[in-house]
Amino acid sequence: EDKVVQSPLSLVVHEGDTVTLNCSYEVTNFRSLLWYKQEKKAPTFLFMLTSSGIEKKSGRLSSILDKKELFSILNITATQTGDSAVYLCAGAPQGGSEKLVFGKGTKLTVNP
Amino acid sequence: EAQVTQNPRYLITVTGKKLTVTCSQNMNHEYMSWYRQDPGLGLRQIYYSMNVEVTDKGDVPEGYKVSRKEKRNFPLILESPSPNQTSLYFCASSLLAGGKDTQYFGPGTRLTVL
Repeated sequence: EDKVVQSPLSLVVHEGDTVTLNCSYEVTNFRSLLWYKQEKKAPTFLFMLTSSGIEKKSGRLSSILDKKELFSILNITATQTGDSAVYLCAGAPQGGSEKLVFGKGTKLTVNP
Repeated sequence: EAQVTQNPRYLITVTGKKLTVTCSQNMNHEYMSWYRQDPGLGLRQIYYSMNVEVTDKGDVPEGYKVSRKEKRNFPLILESPSPNQTSLYFCASSLLAGGKDTQYFGPGTRLTVL
């Protein structure tokens, strides 16, 4: 059965800290891994990763995929209170099934 | 404005009373999907649709039905709701299938079944 595991489940930091969120996956015929940010509403897209070792960057957020070790990390530098959210990762298989498999999320709290 | 809309946003109902949650997107997306989100369980896919008249089961389809008669609409139907279907529901769409492209999520529908 396909699964995605995120760690830690919860994280509390101070503004200015750097955080690393982890996502490991077991997805049959893996195609891509996606990261989302969910505040008190719908998830919003952050990154889609398909190739190993190529960092994707957006402002203070960056993410990278390791297809050999089957994991991805999401880094946030110089955290701000507005980064407080649940961060979700999802694995996507290719061919046949088009189901996305989501992890349970990491709840990040950034305190001033 | 490009968006996914869901209605209603909040619904309290009783066991066994049929209900429909509507989902509509204005981006001409082919792929649409329904998820439920429960504490401790994360987001789980209920049904998805690759295009008009093409639907398939996700991980938790029991107790739900969907239809895709038009490209923009993907309603979720609960024929006989039960309390274990109390959850937060999200509709999502993307131009291509879920893993090839960004998914845009609707605002969510919080359903309570008494």
